[in-house]
Amino acid sequence: AQKVTQAQTEISVVEKEDVTLDCVYETRDTTYYLFWYKQPPSGELVFLIRRNSFDEQNEISGRYSWNFQKSTSSFNFTITASQVVDSAVYFCALSEVEGTNAGKSTFGDGTTLTVKP
Amino acid sequence: SAVISQKPSRDICQRGTSLTIQCQVDSQVTMMFWYRQQPGQSLTLIATANQGSEATYESGFVIDKFPISRPNLTFSTLTVSNMSPEDSSIYLCSVHGTGEAFFGQGTRLTVV
Repeated sequence: AQKVTQAQTEISVVEKEDVTLDCVYETRDTTYYLFWYKQPPSGELVFLIRRNSFDEQNEISGRYSWNFQKSTSSFNFTITASQVVDSAVYFCALSEVEGTNAGKSTFGDGTTLTVKP
Repeated sequence: SAVISQKPSRDICQRGTSLTIQCQVDSQVTMMFWYRQQPGQSLTLIATANQGSEATYESGFVIDKFPISRPNLTFSTLTVSNMSPEDSSIYLCSVHGTGEAFFGQGTRLTVV
C-alpha cells in the first residue's frame, strides 16, 4: 500500500525566512508520480509540481524548489524568502500509474505553513 | 490538461437530507475519482467511478451512503445521502491525465 508522510504538522516562520517542507513516501511501484499541492484558506487545491519516479532532477520555479531523492524516498519542498501569501496547507501526494489503481492519489496529512509579517 | 467544473461550490444542508454533487470534465476520461476532506484533515479517496460499471469504493465507504453515477466519459455525480453533521467536508472530484492528477474546485458541504 502507498503511504505519504509529512512529519511537520505546523510550521511558523517570519517573512523572508526560507522554509523546507518534508515529504517521505512508501510504495512498491517502480513507476509513480509525486505531487505537491497548496490549499489556501479558500479550500481550492492548487497544483504546484509533479515529478515522475524516473526523474530525480531537482527543480526550481521562482521562490519554490523541490528536492527529489529516490534513495531516501523523499520529495522535499523549499520556499525561499517566504511571504505572507505563502501561508496555506501544503499536501504531498503520490499517484499510482499502472494497473487497476492508476490515477489514485494518496495524500500526506498536510503541513500548515504560517508566514508572519 | 483537464478542466473540471464541480457544482455546487458550497452548500448548507439539513441533516437527514441528501445532496448530489456534479463533476464535469472538458475531455473524455476513463476513470474519475471522488475524495473527501474532513475539516483539518487530509484528502481521502471515497471511490473510483468508471463509465459503464459500478463504482469501486474504498474501505469505510459504502454505496448506500455515497451513490455514484457515471453516465458518460465526461460526467459523474456523487450523492451524500442521509446526511449528518459528520458529513461536513470538502468533496472533490479528480481525473488522471498524463502524469498529473487534476482536481475540481471542491464542494464545501456543511450539515446542520
